[in-house]
Parts: sequence; structure tokens; C-alpha cells
Amino acid sequence: AQSVTQLDSQVPVFEEAPVELRCNYSSSVSVYLFWYVQYPNQGLQLLLKYLSGSTLVESINGFEAEFNKSQTSFHLRKPSVHISDTAEYFCAVSDRGFQKLVFGTGTRLLVSP
Amino acid sequence: EPEVTQTPSHQVTQMGQEVILRCVPISNHLYFYWYRQILGQKVEFLVSFYNNEISEKSEIFDDQFSVERPDGSNFTLKIRSTKLEDSAMYFCASSEGSDRHFGSGTRLTVV
Repeated sequence: AQSVTQLDSQVPVFEEAPVELRCNYSSSVSVYLFWYVQYPNQGLQLLLKYLSGSTLVESINGFEAEFNKSQTSFHLRKPSVHISDTAEYFCAVSDRGFQKLVFGTGTRLLVSP
Repeated sequence: EPEVTQTPSHQVTQMGQEVILRCVPISNHLYFYWYRQILGQKVEFLVSFYNNEISEKSEIFDDQFSVERPDGSNFTLKIRSTKLEDSAMYFCASSEGSDRHFGSGTRLTVV
């Protein structure tokens, strides 16, 4: 069985500051890793994913995450955040069968001017 | 871009009543899912559906829950006798591989 830990329930940052949202996972098998974003009153949107290959993956809006197998981590980073990045961010893991996506508890990113 | 649509966006029901939450997955997707998110908590997997049958379900998905694909486009979640603790946001998702596309959810309030 897989599990995901997001230690930070809320991360407040100022606009244009860098941010890192932490995600650690546990699994007895090889996994795929995902970050989803949920804007207020909306559904979940896929931000980025790691399936195989390069351990550094990027999204179209400047976020990146690095898969670290030895540390079982998949932290999400952005060098300079915008007000519009304010949202809930969920890390998720699935096994290679794609049946069950297990989510972390989420991290609320609050960007202020 | 095609999207998953869910109706209604908000449903209020009395405890003990049956509810049906409706979803229209993306048309060429083969895998369908239901998740729920109790207010302030994490998103939880309920069930996955493939080839007209349940492929995996969680411990939450007990006998009060059922899913159905009544025609070629809809995917429904039925809760037979709702309880107060069923109040949550319910998300439908579909995929053809690794990327799950989520709907905007149905907020179910049981009173």
C-alpha cells in the first residue's frame, strides 16, 4: 500500500519569493508521483507528474518537482510565486497499475503582496 | 479541451434518502473513478471502474455505495441511504492512462 505525507498544512509566502512544498511517500513497489492543484471552489487539476526518465519535471506555469528515490520525496518548488498561485496543492502517488491514486492531506499556499 | 462534467454542483438531501451523483467522463477514456473530500480533509479514493465493472474499491465504499455506467456516456455514484457523515465534495475522474482528469465536483450536504 502507498501513503503520502505532506508535513506543511499551510505555507504563507510573499509574492515573488521562492517556495517549496514538501511531499514524502512510502511504497513497497515502484510508483508514479503527481502534484495536483485545487483553486478555490474548483476541482483538481494536474500540475505535473513523474512517471519515468528525468527525475526533474516541470509544469507550464513555472513549478518544478524532483523525484528523489533515496529520500522517497517529490517536493514541489517555484522560484518566484504570484498571487494567482494561491491554492491548495496535493501530492499523490499511484502504483503502476493506475488503479488507485492516494493523496496527501494537502498544503495550502497563501501568497500575499 | 474536453472535460469531465458533474451534476449537480450542489445537492442537499435528508438523512436516509438515496442520492445519485452524475458524471460525464471524457468520451475516449476507459477508466472511471470516484473520490470524496470531506471539508478540510484530504481527497480519498472511493472506487475505480473499468470494462463495466469495479476494478478496485476502498474500505469507505461499503454496501451503501454503488456505481453504474447506464449508457455510453454517464457514470453515476449512488448512495442508498445517506448519513450525516456522507456530507462531502464528491469528485468524478476519468483517464486513459496515468493522467486523471477531474470534474469540478458535487457538494453533497446531508441534513
